[in-house]
Amino acid sequence: AQSVAQPEDQVNVAEGNPLTVKCTYSVSGNPYLFWYVQYPNRGLQFLLKYITGDNLVKGSYGFEAEFNKSQTSFHLKKPSALVSDSALYFCAVRAPNTNDYKLSFGAGTTVTVRA
Amino acid sequence: SAVISQKPSRDICQRGTSLTIQCQVDSQVTMMFWYRQQPGQSLTLIATANQGSEATYESGFVIDKFPISRPNLTFSTLTVSNMSPEDSSIYLCSVGWGRATNEKLFFGSGTQLSVL
Repeated sequence: AQSVAQPEDQVNVAEGNPLTVKCTYSVSGNPYLFWYVQYPNRGLQFLLKYITGDNLVKGSYGFEAEFNKSQTSFHLKKPSALVSDSALYFCAVRAPNTNDYKLSFGAGTTVTVRA
Repeated sequence: SAVISQKPSRDICQRGTSLTIQCQVDSQVTMMFWYRQQPGQSLTLIATANQGSEATYESGFVIDKFPISRPNLTFSTLTVSNMSPEDSSIYLCSVGWGRATNEKLFFGSGTQLSVL
């Protein structure tokens, strides 16, 4: 069975500071990993994904994530956070190389960026 | 990408009643899923909506409680039956094309349901 863990319920940073949202995963084989963001009263928006290749993946809104196989992690990062980045972030994983496209989500991390 | 319209966006219902949520996509999609997001919690997959056949439910979810229809490749409905306050959640439709193994899913804006 596949799963992800987001160890931090909340992350608070000042605007302009680096932002990191942590995610670790558990899956048999090489994982397909995703980050989604949920703004208040809106659905989930796709940020980025890791399938294979370069461990550093760049996504929307200046976000990037680094896949670390030895640490089974896929942390989301942004070098300089904006107040508008305040939202709920979800890490997700799915079984690789199958036709099962179902995603398993982490518990979510609420990011608050203060001005 | 896809434009996914979910209706209603929110509703307040009385216990014992049922609510049907609609998901309309602006293009044909292979995959449609229904997720539930309970207050302060993550997303849990309810079922996979299969076109022309019965939905595939995840553990803990049953057809009698969450009947699903998918008459074609652009539309699906989820009904929350005989509602109780524990059903208060956000319900999200998710779609994808399955054209590649690295397919990402797109999500609707969700239906926020409150049961009194």
